[in-house]
Amino acid sequence: GAVVSQHPSWVICKSGTSVKIECRSLDFQATTMFWYRQFPKQSLMLMATSNEGSKATYEQGVEKDKFLINHASLTLSTLTVTSAHPEDSSFYICSARVRSSYEQYFGPGTRLTVT
Amino acid sequence: RKEVEQDPGPFNVPEGATVAFNCTYSNSASQSFFWYRQDCRKEPKLLMSVYSSGNEDGRFTAQLNRASQYISLLIRDSKLSDSATYLCVWPYNTDKLIFGTGTRLQVFP
Repeated sequence: GAVVSQHPSWVICKSGTSVKIECRSLDFQATTMFWYRQFPKQSLMLMATSNEGSKATYEQGVEKDKFLINHASLTLSTLTVTSAHPEDSSFYICSARVRSSYEQYFGPGTRLTVT
Repeated sequence: RKEVEQDPGPFNVPEGATVAFNCTYSNSASQSFFWYRQDCRKEPKLLMSVYSSGNEDGRFTAQLNRASQYISLLIRDSKLSDSATYLCVWPYNTDKLIFGTGTRLQVFP
């Protein structure tokens, strides 16, 4: 149980375009979903936290107008990178947790390359 | 000082060896941590939780030393499949996990 999927697993896009990444909890309802970013040889950095039906809470330094998060249901959250630039190239990972639990279940990640 | 700090390694050990990693933390009130394992270009996966009483799961033992503010992960009888990056994680709260940069382990035949 506790499987989280992400789609796509990798994407290449041109600078200036937008990219949408989906995160789904397949066998449980996730009250909260998280979006992380990981640059090479660096740790995972939390970008934002989203609760179903609410606006996402962004970490300091993360532009909410650039990284649009929609958490429309208890099993789906999306991250849209708008007007992507090469410096947005990274490994984006989502996770999900059930209520009142510290444990997060991670998706397999999406590797974004902006050319 | 970072919330959690790890030696990046790599630790290169032969199969069958025992290896230990430490992770230091800055918040003296912290009472629980996690060890995650991350394979190259993959998502992190929970290995084990660490509380003041420690934790053991097969070949893996984790301990929390609150006096010196570090947690440790001991791997006995290393296998080739143990090669990965091991992440020390502090649950800041239920909505935020703070990840260390990880310690890379390479087990060779």
